[in-house]
Amino acid sequence: GAVVSQHPSRVICKSGTSVKIECRSLDFQATTMFWYRQFPKQSLMLMATSNEGSKATYEQGVEKDKFLINHASLTLSTLTVTSAHPEDSSFYICSARDLRGAEQFFGPGTRLTVL
Amino acid sequence: GDSVTQMEGPVTLSEEAFLTINCTYTATGYPSLFWYVQYPGEGLQLLLKATKADDKGSNKGFEATYRKETTSFHLEKGSVQVSDSAVYFCALTHSGSARQLTFGSGTQLTVLP
Repeated sequence: GAVVSQHPSRVICKSGTSVKIECRSLDFQATTMFWYRQFPKQSLMLMATSNEGSKATYEQGVEKDKFLINHASLTLSTLTVTSAHPEDSSFYICSARDLRGAEQFFGPGTRLTVL
Repeated sequence: GDSVTQMEGPVTLSEEAFLTINCTYTATGYPSLFWYVQYPGEGLQLLLKATKADDKGSNKGFEATYRKETTSFHLEKGSVQVSDSAVYFCALTHSGSARQLTFGSGTQLTVLP
C-alpha cells in the first residue's frame, strides 16, 4: 500500500529557532500534500494544502510566514516552523494524495516541543 | 460549510462488547465518508470508507453504512478487542481538485480486558 513518511518523528528545540519537517511519499507520486496540526485530545486542523511546483494554500488564521511550506517534487513536501515559540508545540501530521486523487495517505506525525 | 459531528468520548468497553460510535454530517451534495483510526503516538490510518448512499464500508470487523436520509455514518463492531483501543475519526470529502478532508472531533475508545 501507499506509504508516507515523516522526519523527524520527534523534535525538541529552543524558542526562536526554526525547525524543518519533511513529508515523503515513498512508493507513489503525490501532486497534493496536506499539513495538519493536532492538539492533545483534539481533532486535526488543516493548516495548508501544498501542490507540487506551486505556492501552498493556507487556511484562514494560519500564518504563512511562520509556517513555510515547500513542495519541490512529487514525493517531498517540507514544513518549516520559523522562530518557533512554545505555543507552536504540537503534533504535526502530513498527508499525501496520489495522482488519481482517490485517497489521502497519512504520515506518522511529528511531535514538536518548543522549550 | 461542511461539518462532521461525532459522539463525544471517551468510550470505555469491556472486551467482546458491541461498539457504536455515532457520526452525522452536514454537507452539500454527495460527499464521500470515511472512518480513520489513530493509535497512540501515530498518524491516521484509513479504517473504512463509503462513496455513495447506502454503501457499506467494512474492515477488520468494523462496519459503517452511508445513510443519506439521516446524514449519518455510524461506526459499529460486534465484538471489540483490547487492540481496538484508539481514537476514531469520522471524516468527509467532496470530489474536486482540493478534496480536503473535514474531520470530526474524534472519539477515544478504550477496551478493557
